[in-house]
Amino acid sequence: EVYLVESGGSLVKPGGSLRLSCAASGFSFSNYDMHWVRQAPGKGLEWVSSISRSGLYIYYADSVKGRFTISRDNARNSLFLQMNSLTGEDTAVYYCAREDQELSLGPPFFDYWGQGSLVTVSS
Amino acid sequence: DIQMTQSPSSLSASVGDRVTITCRASQRISRYLNWYQQKPGKAPRLLIYAASSLQSGVPSRFSGSRSGTDFTLTISSLQPEDFATYFCQESDSDRRTFGPGTKVDIK
Repeated sequence: EVYLVESGGSLVKPGGSLRLSCAASGFSFSNYDMHWVRQAPGKGLEWVSSISRSGLYIYYADSVKGRFTISRDNARNSLFLQMNSLTGEDTAVYYCAREDQELSLGPPFFDYWGQGSLVTVSS
Repeated sequence: DIQMTQSPSSLSASVGDRVTITCRASQRISRYLNWYQQKPGKAPRLLIYAASSLQSGVPSRFSGSRSGTDFTLTISSLQPEDFATYFCQESDSDRRTFGPGTKVDIK
């Protein structure tokens, strides 16, 4: 059974920092690209960042570029999101998601998601 | 950047109704389009990938289709457990952009 479990969310003041973790189990973590997706209260889904299986390719949404850093530790089956210079607009539930592909090279999709970790930025 | 739009933004339907949700990409994305279902307080669930492929375990009343840059999610006979919000997502770009969502509630 595939599991993704996020942790690290909490209440933080504007300008503060936070590090989210996502613990993966039930699959070969190093064989999959991973993503962070967030959802502000009452809003839709916003893709945040992605990291390739090797960690070589990394992408960010414009809204977080320069403030957030994605990383992974394949030996520990873990994904991370370091968030700096947080503002109220970063308040959201943060999900980690596994990306798979149709027939290895086909269209990718997010087939497993964690339960989410709530980050609240407020003074 | 690829922009995704969905219509309608919400709809009211009854159990047994046929429901259709449309998603449009701002540029050609071939069949790089996925559909997710989300219920309140829960993580999204993959329903359809590659525009028309049904994810394992998803009921066959869900189907997806493509016409150019327009994509459709169809629920052939709405069930009580289908009342939720549905999101499309392009997977052609590095940014994996989501549509704004369509909320399906009870008439």
